Amino acid sequence: EAGVAQSPRYKIIEKRQSVAFWCNPISGHATLYWYQQILGQGPKLLIQFQNNGVVDDSQLPKDRFSAERLKGVDSTLKIQPAKLEDSAVYLCASSLDITQENGELFFGEGSRLTVL
Amino acid sequence: QKEVEQNSGPLSVPEGAIASLNCTYSDRVSQSFFWYRQYSGKSPELIMSIYSNGDKEDGRFTAQLNKASQYVSLLIRDSQPSDSATYLCAVEESGAGSYQLTFGKGTKLSVIP
Repeated sequence: EAGVAQSPRYKIIEKRQSVAFWCNPISGHATLYWYQQILGQGPKLLIQFQNNGVVDDSQLPKDRFSAERLKGVDSTLKIQPAKLEDSAVYLCASSLDITQENGELFFGEGSRLTVL
Repeated sequence: QKEVEQNSGPLSVPEGAIASLNCTYSDRVSQSFFWYRQYSGKSPELIMSIYSNGDKEDGRFTAQLNKASQYVSLLIRDSQPSDSATYLCAVEESGAGSYQLTFGKGTKLSVIP
């Protein structure tokens, strides 16, 4: 079974530029998460989707970050304009659904962003 | 703001010893608890989940949960150099229509050959 796919793996941009990350979850997984992991810290949830609807985006900096999951499968996370503090690994994860029985998270390899 | 606290380490243990990793959490209503292992430059992978008070064993790993004390731990017996990684404690938060994990900062474990 294919895992969670993410691209690009690495991205270096100047501050105030824009960047987009793509995620393809495990087939059949209804729930998709974007996490931000700054070096030396644990992952921090940015946004959670259930199918193509947003469940929670309370920690997403909406003045610069946006995310969508059209058709309830692939998702993109965009940052515009980027700031130095956005340098982090952006992890996409998916799970079957939002119950305890099926809530195990499977993570992709992550997209490492460096903002100069 | 719900919090998950871990000692960041590093925790160094000799090969063959028991490594003990600890985690406390602030949300009394949490019901699900997880330990993820993260190798440097890699994504987190689930190694243990625990939902009930007491111990849960899986091979060399034992998770322990005490909901009254809001405390969860992970014991690694017969530690191997390949166990050297950062261990992330994660606690479930359930709300209306949501199920999500809050992660601690992680404890870095080094197993010395």
